[in-house]
Amino acid sequence: GAGVSQTPSNKVTEKGKYVELRCDPISGHTALYWYRQSLGQGPEFLIYFQGTGAADDSGLPNDRFFAVRPEGSVSTLKIQRTERGDSAVYLCASSQGPQETQYFGPGTRLLVL
Amino acid sequence: GESVGLHLPTLSVQEGDNSIINCAYSNSASDYFIWYKQESGKGPQFIIDIRSNMDKRQGQRVTVLLNKTVKHLSLQIAATQPGDSAVYFCAEMGTGGGADGLTFGKGTHLIIQP
Repeated sequence: GAGVSQTPSNKVTEKGKYVELRCDPISGHTALYWYRQSLGQGPEFLIYFQGTGAADDSGLPNDRFFAVRPEGSVSTLKIQRTERGDSAVYLCASSQGPQETQYFGPGTRLLVL
Repeated sequence: GESVGLHLPTLSVQEGDNSIINCAYSNSASDYFIWYKQESGKGPQFIIDIRSNMDKRQGQRVTVLLNKTVKHLSLQIAATQPGDSAVYFCAEMGTGGGADGLTFGKGTHLIIQP
């Protein structure tokens, strides 16, 4: 079946702009995670959804970052007033439930100029 | 703080040899460990996982060993092939029911020499 998909695959924006990154999880997966990966580093946890609710957003770096999952499937990560330091690969993963194997999408490469 | 890390940033092996990638973790309460493979420009790909009630698990050409006494995890790849070239991450999951997400190490870059 289809894996996790993310759009866009690449996003270039200017400092101060707003961006939205989309994640389509594997069908039937109730848990959804967002991670951020900087060059040469491992992914860092941002936020976790179980169903429609954000069960844990402790990894979000500041209030410019926000994520939603209104119908318990597709999720959107929103970044306001982007900064150059936000440049990274944003990864989404889904799993059948908590404490289950997480399967990752290909990521969105965000470049803030 | 709690972290998951790897001993070597780069590992170079001859094609056909076995590879061993090591990982140390610090959270003794972690109960789920996963190895991921990441090729350039792609997302992490699940390889194999192990829970804390086991000390060994085998897959196709891969074996994961868990030593809880010294908080050490290793990934063994048998008969390494060119397609195994990638960065390998170990990841740890805490005990918060998945709410804390995975904690990743920095990764080991596996290079296959012909």
